Amino acid sequence: AQSVAQPEDQVNVAEGNPLTVKCTYSVSGNPYLFWYVQYPNRGLQFLLKYITGDNLVKGSYGFEAEFNKSQTSFHLKKPSALVSDSALYFCAVREVGGLTGGGNKLTFGTGTQLKVEL
Amino acid sequence: ETGVTQTPRHLVMGMTNKKSLKCEQHLGHNAMYWYKQSAKKPLELMFVYSLEERVENNSVPSRFSPECPNSSHLFLHLHTLQPEDSALYLCASSPWDRGEQYFGPGTRLTVT
Repeated sequence: AQSVAQPEDQVNVAEGNPLTVKCTYSVSGNPYLFWYVQYPNRGLQFLLKYITGDNLVKGSYGFEAEFNKSQTSFHLKKPSALVSDSALYFCAVREVGGLTGGGNKLTFGTGTQLKVEL
Repeated sequence: ETGVTQTPRHLVMGMTNKKSLKCEQHLGHNAMYWYKQSAKKPLELMFVYSLEERVENNSVPSRFSPECPNSSHLFLHLHTLQPEDSALYLCASSPWDRGEQYFGPGTRLTVT
């Protein structure tokens, strides 16, 4: 069964500093990997995904993530954090192939609360 | 916010009530999903519909009953819920067999 681990419940960073939110995964085959962000009282918002190709994936709002197959990691990064980046971040994984009959099944991590301070 | 809307945004119901949550997507997607989000727990996938057919039921109690009348609408019918069912219920949609899902804002449900 596929699984995702986000080892940090909270990450604190000063505005202007680089940020990293960690994610490791476990799947039996090749993974599709995703990052989502959730602001208070809102749904999850898609940030970026890795399916194949370049290990460095660029997404929305200046975020990027690096896929590392040997370490089974997909860490989210941003070179310079903003106070407005403060939110809950979720990593998710899907096995290639999807569900029989269509659709796909994502497994989410428990989330990491990012706090960016002035 | 996104092309996925959910109503109501907040719902308080007693354990003997019957209510329904509604989700509508305006993205032309083929698959729709219900998730439950509780504090300090991973998102729990409840149901998946693809082309209006249920393709996944993740061992959800029968007091939750989904309905997908067409590819744009998804309902979650609720009856005789328990206090532990209080949570944020999120609806999502995706293109056929594509990875990313697009989420609605959620319905905050409180069972008293």
